[in-house]
Amino acid sequence: GQQVMQIPQYQHVQEGEDFTTYCNSSTTLSNIQWYKQRPGGHPVFLIQLVKSGEVKKQKRLTFQFGEAKKNSSLHITATQTTDVGTYFCAGPQGGGTASKLTFGTGTRLQVTL
Amino acid sequence: NAGVTQTPKFRILKIGQSMTLQCTQDMNHNYMYWYRQDPGMGLKLIYYSVGAGITDKGEVPNGYNVSRSTTEDFPLRLELAAPSQTSVYFCASMFGTEAFFGQGTRLTVV
Repeated sequence: GQQVMQIPQYQHVQEGEDFTTYCNSSTTLSNIQWYKQRPGGHPVFLIQLVKSGEVKKQKRLTFQFGEAKKNSSLHITATQTTDVGTYFCAGPQGGGTASKLTFGTGTRLQVTL
Repeated sequence: NAGVTQTPKFRILKIGQSMTLQCTQDMNHNYMYWYRQDPGMGLKLIYYSVGAGITDKGEVPNGYNVSRSTTEDFPLRLELAAPSQTSVYFCASMFGTEAFFGQGTRLTVV
């Protein structure tokens, strides 16, 4: 079945440093989504990417979908303590637009002053 | 709109007991999902539904059952609880390709 891996599993940065998490799928995805889960909370939708090579920005966050639509990345510029949490990518298994939504293994980000 | 509501928030079960985790959404979404999240780990799909009357297995369905008699409700049934089912359970509903999650149910089996 489809596997979605993320690296690194964990990263600890000083506030102001940049952070990047990478997401790799074993199969081609029709789209990819990114979610953030604060400690003790539930996942919250951040963004969806659909087109090959697509790049989207949300303030300090930059999301990219690979040309082959099998990988994606999330880059945070100048991290803040409010960025703490676990970041998950997710994609539909089976090539559909929704159906089985499979989550990546997640990257936990810790930010200290 | 309440969004996705899960009950209970916390529960302790004894080995062999059964229980139903409730999930209801008021957004008229067709797609609904149940995930479990073990401590420090990712989300694993248990069951999902693409509409009332239709359910299908995810990655880890053993020990669980679901039903979807209405668009709004998607309960998850645990039969014969085992310690391996200790986890946080999240229900989600989907509109387009954005999933909305409930607050989660923290279940401990002792």
